[in-house]
Amino acid sequence: DTAVSQTPKYLVTQMGNDKSIKCEQNLGHDTMYWYKQDSKKFLKIMFSYNNKELIINETVPNRFSPKSPDKAHLNLHINSLELGDSAVYFCASSQAGSSYGYTFGSGTRLTVV
Amino acid sequence: SQQGEEDPQALSIQEGENATMNCSYKTSINNLQWYRQNSGRGLVHLILIRSNEREKHSGRLRVTLDTSKKSSSLLITASRAADTASYFCATDGSNTGKLIFGQGTTLQVKP
Repeated sequence: DTAVSQTPKYLVTQMGNDKSIKCEQNLGHDTMYWYKQDSKKFLKIMFSYNNKELIINETVPNRFSPKSPDKAHLNLHINSLELGDSAVYFCASSQAGSSYGYTFGSGTRLTVV
Repeated sequence: SQQGEEDPQALSIQEGENATMNCSYKTSINNLQWYRQNSGRGLVHLILIRSNEREKHSGRLRVTLDTSKKSSSLLITASRAADTASYFCATDGSNTGKLIFGQGTTLQVKP
């Protein structure tokens, strides 16, 4: 059973389009995150939700909008995609903050052409 | 902002040798964690060391933490080809569970 699952795994789209990435965790964790990994493998946090409440909102263009319908799901919607949005996006979850480590999904590779 | 810096950026060793990776960070922390990322995969949590701990072991992994020097090291003993991956340190310095990752060390273990 996959603990943190993301869909889709690959996403190729044209500039200007709107796309969504979905994430679900079956671990019963309270907190979920979105991270962006660039081509140099640098990981940067974007958002974090705790029990459906937004607790971390880094300096991210407002074209990116997270949504958490319940504590097991955290989706990421991106409007007006730009070339610079191309990256791998990782969803992760943890219990009681990061004290026990994050569990990551396998990532969504987004390519904007 | 990036918190951790890892050294070396890349490391190539023979199977059976030990691999040591270092991580330095800038601000005070609650804990420091190490993750492994195989090519094209997500990150896997390896070990967490709290700010009041100095050393921790898990199987072939040994992590040390020196808060006075704001540095940590990860030692993998008796490396195997399957240990080939990127290794990241991550620090938690807040109450929100926000982890800040280093740039990673790419380890290649040759059979």
